[in-house]
Amino acid sequence: NAGVTQTPKFRVLKTGQSMTLLCAQDMNHEYMYWYRQDPGMGLRLIHYSVGEGTTAKGEVPDGYNVSRLKKQNFLLGLESAAPSQTSVYFCASSVSGPETQYFGPGTRLLVL
Amino acid sequence: GDSVTQMEGPVTLSEEAFLTINCTYTATGYPSLFWYVQYPGEGLQLLLKATKADDKGSNKGFEATYRKETTSFHLEKGSVQVSDSAVYFCALRWTDKLIFGTGTRLQVFP
Repeated sequence: NAGVTQTPKFRVLKTGQSMTLLCAQDMNHEYMYWYRQDPGMGLRLIHYSVGEGTTAKGEVPDGYNVSRLKKQNFLLGLESAAPSQTSVYFCASSVSGPETQYFGPGTRLLVL
Repeated sequence: GDSVTQMEGPVTLSEEAFLTINCTYTATGYPSLFWYVQYPGEGLQLLLKATKADDKGSNKGFEATYRKETTSFHLEKGSVQVSDSAVYFCALRWTDKLIFGTGTRLQVFP
C-alpha cells in the first residue's frame, strides 16, 4: 500500500517548456487535490477533483490544467512554464470529502 | 471569504516546554477546523480536528478546542519533544475544500 505517490520528485524547466506532474493513489479515494506551497504563502489549492472525470478550479488555477481520466490518477499540466511557477507541488487525496487528506511527498519544480 | 490566520514563526522552544500556536478564523457559519503537521521533507498529515463548537481535538499529546466566541482553534502541547519540530498548519473546511493558514514553524532544541 503506497498511499499517494508523485512523479517526478524534482524537475528543472526552462521558461516556455511544458510538463506533466503525475499523482497516483491506491486507496480508492474519490477526491484528489493539487496544491502549491510557497514560502510565507502556505498551501494554495490549484485544482481539485471530486470523482473520476470531474475537475474544478481552486484558488490559483491560472497557467495549469488537470485531468482525472482514471480514479487513481490526477495529472497536473503546465503548458508554458513561467518562473512564477517555481514551487513545491503537493498532491492529496481523500475518501469522500476534504477533511482527512492524505498527502504525497511533493514535487519540487524550478523554472529558469 | 473564509480565511485562517496563524501566528508567525518560527517558534523556538526547549524540550519539555509548553507550546501554544495561535489560530483564528473568519467564516460564515461554523466550519470544521483542523491542524495538519508537515515534518521536514514530507507532505502534510492530519494531526487533529474538531467539527463543532466546544469540541476538543487531540492526538499525540496535542490538543485544540473549537472556541466560537473567540473564533479560535489554538494548538497546545504540555511538553514538547525534539521530534515535534515541524511546520503546523491550521485549516478550515469551506464547501468541498480546505483553506489553510500560512503555517507556523516549530523548532525544539534539546
